[in-house]
Amino acid sequence: AQSVTQPDIHITVSEGASLELRCNYSYGATPYLFWYVQSPGQGLQLLLKYFSGDTLVQGIKGFEAEFKRSQSSFNLRKPSVHWSDAAEYFCAVQHDDMRFGAGTRLTVKP
Amino acid sequence: SQTIHQWPATLVQPVGSPLSLECTVEGTSNPNLYWYRQAAGRGLQLLFYSVGIGQISSEVPQNLSASRPQDRQFILSSKKLLLSDSGFYLCAWSVLAAGELFFGEGSRLTVL
Repeated sequence: AQSVTQPDIHITVSEGASLELRCNYSYGATPYLFWYVQSPGQGLQLLLKYFSGDTLVQGIKGFEAEFKRSQSSFNLRKPSVHWSDAAEYFCAVQHDDMRFGAGTRLTVKP
Repeated sequence: SQTIHQWPATLVQPVGSPLSLECTVEGTSNPNLYWYRQAAGRGLQLLFYSVGIGQISSEVPQNLSASRPQDRQFILSSKKLLLSDSGFYLCAWSVLAAGELFFGEGSRLTVL
């Protein structure tokens, strides 16, 4: 069965520290891959996406993600976190339709 | 540019009452339309999607229904709400079957 796993429910990092949010998927073929961000009480905004080609993709707000086929992973990274990055982050995969992970809530300490 | 509107933003309804959430998209034609529900700690659950007027696919059996009376209008309904229907409902659209989704601002439903 198709599935998307975000192993970390909640992550806390200090402002200025680096960040990595994990995402693993289980699909028969390489799907399209996305990361979305959601601020409280709002809709989701696309951070970045991977369809094909270069496995390291750059997104908005200084985020990047790397597709690793051998690990079925698409982890999101940012070298230096800002307080405004505090939000919920969703990994999503699309093959026949769009499936979302359960999300990772990011808290940023001052 | 394309925009998506979703309303009402907040709704408090008693158990057993009806529901109607509306979503409209502007600036594009024949979009794919989606309804998702987001419950705390459970990510987004796809409820319905539509590839055209009158074409609705349901992902999860439940007491909710969806309709697409016009090309850019997508309505989520219920005849009798349950407590378990509480949640944050998100409408979304895409240009193609494969591609990114664009989300509305969401509707917070509380069933008492």
